[in-house]
Amino acid sequence: DVKVTQSSRYLVKRTGEKVFLECVQDMDHENMFWYRQDPGLGLRLIYFSYDVKMKEKGDIPEGYSVSREKKERFSLILESASTNQTSMYLCATSGTVGNTIYFGEGSWLTVV
Amino acid sequence: QKEVEQNSGPLSVPEGAIASLNCTYSDRGSQSFFWYRQYSGKSPELIMSIYSNGDKEDGRFTAQLNKASQYVSLLIRDSQPSDSATYLCAGIPSGGSYIPTFGRGTSLIVHP
Repeated sequence: DVKVTQSSRYLVKRTGEKVFLECVQDMDHENMFWYRQDPGLGLRLIYFSYDVKMKEKGDIPEGYSVSREKKERFSLILESASTNQTSMYLCATSGTVGNTIYFGEGSWLTVV
Repeated sequence: QKEVEQNSGPLSVPEGAIASLNCTYSDRGSQSFFWYRQYSGKSPELIMSIYSNGDKEDGRFTAQLNKASQYVSLLIRDSQPSDSATYLCAGIPSGGSYIPTFGRGTSLIVHP
């Protein structure tokens, strides 16, 4: 069974704090993604990675960075959280065959 | 800009009816398409994938792909109130990309 785990499900952080969101997958997938989802705006791609230590900017990378030191783990970092980063963050993975995308359960971040 | 378009709805159908959800895409070379169901406050879960023209059936769900007309549809037979959710359509663009393009989703309401 496909497993994409986002360890932090609900977080409340203060403006200016550094925030780490972690995602771990057990499917040996090459590709990993971070999205945020806001009402009326759909899924927006923040960053993606197609291999260890490789990363590419998505549509809205400003204010975020990522790290992929191991194939199974993809971290999203908010260097200095702001209130407009309050959102649901979704990690997703896909392999090279079929490209089916699997999502984690999501991380709800509130910045106050 | 490669796009996937969906009517935001809501689409309201009575229990037991067939719900028809539609999606159009702009990239003629797209090969792989996916339907996801997303309950409020939850992450998207994969319902079906479709890669070839025609119909693909899985239980009460049928996905239809028409590459000539560039649309993908999802039919839900014998709709149940538990089918009430937002349905996301996604496509993998051509050109070797593995990055999915998502529609903004259609809200489905199945009323008793």
